[in-house]
Amino acid sequence: QLQLQESGPGLVKPSETLSLTCTVSGGSINSGSYFWAWIRQSPGKGLEWIGSISYSESTYYSPSLWSRVTMSVDTSKNQFSLKLTSVTAGDTALYYCAREQQLVSWYFDLWGRGTLVSVSS
Amino acid sequence: NFVLTQPHSVSESPGKTVTISCTRSSGSIASNYVQWYQQRPGSSPTNVIYEDNQRPSGVPERFSGSTDRSSNSASLTISGLKTEDEADYYCQSYTSNNRVFGGGTKLTVL
Repeated sequence: QLQLQESGPGLVKPSETLSLTCTVSGGSINSGSYFWAWIRQSPGKGLEWIGSISYSESTYYSPSLWSRVTMSVDTSKNQFSLKLTSVTAGDTALYYCAREQQLVSWYFDLWGRGTLVSVSS
Repeated sequence: NFVLTQPHSVSESPGKTVTISCTRSSGSIASNYVQWYQQRPGSSPTNVIYEDNQRPSGVPERFSGSTDRSSNSASLTISGLKTEDEADYYCQSYTSNNRVFGGGTKLTVL
């Protein structure tokens, strides 16, 4: 059964770069049917899509975050990653990685457990 | 880009039926499929409806989805409410370069 697991620092200083990795286990990231996504949830708030990437590194980024976001894929490690630059306290959130279906509709059918990232000096 | 608006909270008694709405601000609700996610406290979201009205395997038939062009909205209906249905529910749709979530609705089953 496919599983996703986020990893990365839990604390990042303001103005620095947030870096997270999602490891896919129980299946291959090399699937043309899926994209791989990052979604965040600020404390007590709703869900915000950050971006999605295919195994061939086609990317879609949120219009509100695109200038600070870079996503990449490492198929040899079955991982994909997120970099978010120039972070502020407003980037403090629970960050989820997820699998995105793109066959008919575009939606997230499998989610990781999430990793909490706090931005503070 | 459009916004999806949901009621902040709804409540209903066990055994009853509840409907949560999701209204699209611009563009037709029929332009792109709508999905629904359930997020129980302390857990990751799980998909309960995709492509407007399709249930993933394992989701009870008590969960159903629909869209209404006249109100430009989608709805999630849960019948035969159980206490385990108490959770936050989010609608989601998309465009070619964006994925949009509604603000979420807290369902209380009391």
